[in-house]
Amino acid sequence: KAGVTQTPRYLIKTRGQQVTLSCSPISGHRSVSWYQQTPGQGLQFLFEYFSETQRNKGNFPGRFSGRQFSNSRSEMNVSTLELGDSALYLCASSLPGRETQYFGPGTRLLVL
Amino acid sequence: EDQVTQSPEALRLQEGESSSLNCSYTVSGLRGLFWYRQDPGKGPEFLFTLYSAGEEKEKERLKATLTKKESFLHITAPKPEDSATYLCAVQSNSGGSNYKLTFGKGTLLTVNP
Repeated sequence: KAGVTQTPRYLIKTRGQQVTLSCSPISGHRSVSWYQQTPGQGLQFLFEYFSETQRNKGNFPGRFSGRQFSNSRSEMNVSTLELGDSALYLCASSLPGRETQYFGPGTRLLVL
Repeated sequence: EDQVTQSPEALRLQEGESSSLNCSYTVSGLRGLFWYRQDPGKGPEFLFTLYSAGEEKEKERLKATLTKKESFLHITAPKPEDSATYLCAVQSNSGGSNYKLTFGKGTLLTVNP
């Protein structure tokens, strides 16, 4: 069974731009979560989607948003990029009613 | 608010030298405790889920245990390929924390041949 896939794997943007990251969950998984990983803060929860609805959101500014499509694929968007947004963005999926989340390889975002 | 503290931050072992990693946690109600392994530049790889105090799970040279306040990841006779960052995370039952994982900062394990 294919794992979680994320595209693109690497991105370089400049301050003020916006970016969209994509995540395809494991087949049959309907919950998708997003995390930001930085050396200083570690892994931090951004938001979680199930059946196209956001069920939980972390403590990030409104510049960070996401959505989920009917096929469970998810996107996250970051507007007005700041240098501090440079990070590894990880997507994870899980089966309905199961707690274990499986992670993708991540998208490495560098903001210059 | 859920909290997870991992120790030590870094651990260097000789091949075959067994040791343990610690994960202390505070949650309002534990839904699950998770161990992941992360290699540089990659996403976390799932290892174990533990649900209740007293539970133990094993996989090859790794064994995870759980008490009401902490979890241990025991590594028996490690090999160089066990070198990685080991992450601990919790998920709680509280309404505001449903569906999210709260992670510790991780333990960087290096196993020398």
